[in-house]
Parts: sequence; structure tokens; C-alpha cells
Amino acid sequence: GESVGLHLPTLSVQEGDNSIINCAYSNSASDYFIWYKQESGKGPQFIIDIRSNMDKRQGQRVTVLLNKTVKHLSLQIAATQPGDSAVYFCAENNAGNTPLVFGKGTRLSVIA
Amino acid sequence: ETGVTQTPRHLVMGMTNKKSLKCEQHLGHNAMYWYKQSAKKPLELMFVYSLEERVENNSVPSRFSPECPNSSHLFLHLHTLQPEDSALYLCASSQVFRTTGELFFGEGSRLTVL
Repeated sequence: GESVGLHLPTLSVQEGDNSIINCAYSNSASDYFIWYKQESGKGPQFIIDIRSNMDKRQGQRVTVLLNKTVKHLSLQIAATQPGDSAVYFCAENNAGNTPLVFGKGTRLSVIA
Repeated sequence: ETGVTQTPRHLVMGMTNKKSLKCEQHLGHNAMYWYKQSAKKPLELMFVYSLEERVENNSVPSRFSPECPNSSHLFLHLHTLQPEDSALYLCASSQVFRTTGELFFGEGSRLTVL
């Protein structure tokens, strides 16, 4: 079946460096994408979302890039901080026709 | 007060016990969800309720029984569970079902089945 997946299960980054977390999706009909952050012992929290009519969206210290040609999504975190250590999930759906489909997640560890 | 509240946060039960997980949302949303989160697996959608009506049931074993008495409350009744059912159970809500937009998650109920 079609699914969303993540390229790397773990990522270690030096504090202050930029982080890039990648996500591949296989449903070409997907038109809405979202990133969640899940800290230990907590539920997933919304970070940023993007619709398929855009290829880039920026938030505070975060940027999401969407490449529909290769069905790839990435989350960039600028000046990574210890508080950014968490598991990051991407998710997608198709015009709201299905509930969000989640990838496995990438664990980001920030080295002080 | 968080938007979506789950109780209990931790639950240990034997295989013959009956227990329930509770979720309450204070966001005025019309759709509520149960997800199962196991180690090294994607979030698995279990049930969806829209306006108190069950709209999705993703082949979940009958030992899990959801209940949605109103649009603010969602329960997951558990009975004769198996050790492999040990996981984090996450409740979420959204403004409406079948729409784009974020899900708002609770902190989860960590279930251990002995």
C-alpha cells in the first residue's frame, strides 16, 4: 500500500548546527503534508505544514521543503538547540479524503 | 489546560482485566481519533469518530472497544488484552473529519499488558 516513510531513523547534530530531516512519500495524490515533533513522554506536537501548491514554507527556525517531482519532503531546523531533541514525524493526506498517514519517525539527538 | 487530555497516563493490566482509557478534548472539535504507537512502527490509526459516529475502524481486534458519548469525550475499553497490545495509545482531535489540517494530540496513555 502507499505509505509515508523516513530515510533515516536517527540523526545526531551538534548544537548550533542546522538539521535536515527527510521524508519520502509514495502517494502522488497527496496534497497536504505536516511535520510533528514528539518529545519523550509526550504526544506529537504540530511544527509546520505545507500544501502541494507550495514548495517551501518557513516558520520560526524551521523550514519545510516539498519536492513533488521526487515525492520528497524535508524539515530544516536552523541553529539546532538541545530542546529540539525529539522524534520527528512527517504525515500526509489526500485532500482530506483519508486521515493523516504517518511515517516511522526520525530521532534527532542534539550534542551539546 | 491542554487541548486534549488523556487519562490515565500509565496503566498496567493483566490479560484478564477490563480497563478503559479516557480522552477529553476542550477544543470544540467534531472528530476524535485513537492511534496506537508501538516502538519502531508508524502511528497506527485505530478508530475515528465524527460527530459521535464511528467512521473508521481499521481492522482492530474486538478486544478494543471504542465509545464516543459526545463530541468532547472518547473512550477505549480494553478487555482480555495480549502482551503485544502494550503500547502508547494516543488520542487526537481535529475540527472536522475528512479535511486537511492538523490533528491535536493528547499526551498518551502508556499501556503495559502483563
